[in-house]
Amino acid sequence: DAGVIQSPRHEVTEMGQEVTLRCKPISGHNSLFWYRQTMMRGLELLIYFNNNVPIDDSGMPEDRFSAKMPNASFSTLKIQPSEPRDSAVYFCASRPLDGGYTFGSGTRLTVV
Amino acid sequence: AQSVTQLGSHVSVSEGALVLLRCNYSSSVPPYLFWYVQYPNQGLQLLLKYTSAATLVKGINGFEAEFKKSETSFHLTKPSAHMSDAAEYFCAVSEPGGYNKLIFGAGTRLAVHP
Repeated sequence: DAGVIQSPRHEVTEMGQEVTLRCKPISGHNSLFWYRQTMMRGLELLIYFNNNVPIDDSGMPEDRFSAKMPNASFSTLKIQPSEPRDSAVYFCASRPLDGGYTFGSGTRLTVV
Repeated sequence: AQSVTQLGSHVSVSEGALVLLRCNYSSSVPPYLFWYVQYPNQGLQLLLKYTSAATLVKGINGFEAEFKKSETSFHLTKPSAHMSDAAEYFCAVSEPGGYNKLIFGAGTRLAVHP
């Protein structure tokens, strides 16, 4: 089991550019979560999916953020256009129906 | 709505001393509770979880936590700190059941000095 796989590990982009973060959950896990971690705000839940369906996106900061889960093995978080205040570590996590959450190693995004 | 409060953003202990990290929760239903550890530049690793079974939960690396409903607390303890325990610790809460989100506290950074 390779765990939750996130790519890229690090991303540096210029303000205004589109950024796409990727996540491969653990096979068989029913739920997938996207979190953002910053010094100021800690760990914030952005959105989560159950069985590929978005359940709660109330944490998505604004319309520049969007997330998709086209199938059970892949999810993306897109920021368009990116801004410096989006700089953070973005974590993906997955869990089975009756189990604990497993986190990926995160993507460190820097928008300059 | 559920929430978690971690008392003390920084805790410092001597190697070999007791570790006590405090967590209080707010929930309208009996919650599931978790402790996670995050080492620098890494993801979050599950230490232990409470899911309405035994109130005293033992986790990895010698940590344990006790669920106290009357105090709405889930404090994390370890009898003897090691240098390798230096990290950030997060308490988290979710509603019971299969399809529920995890809400984190602000975290407590543990420093262990010789």
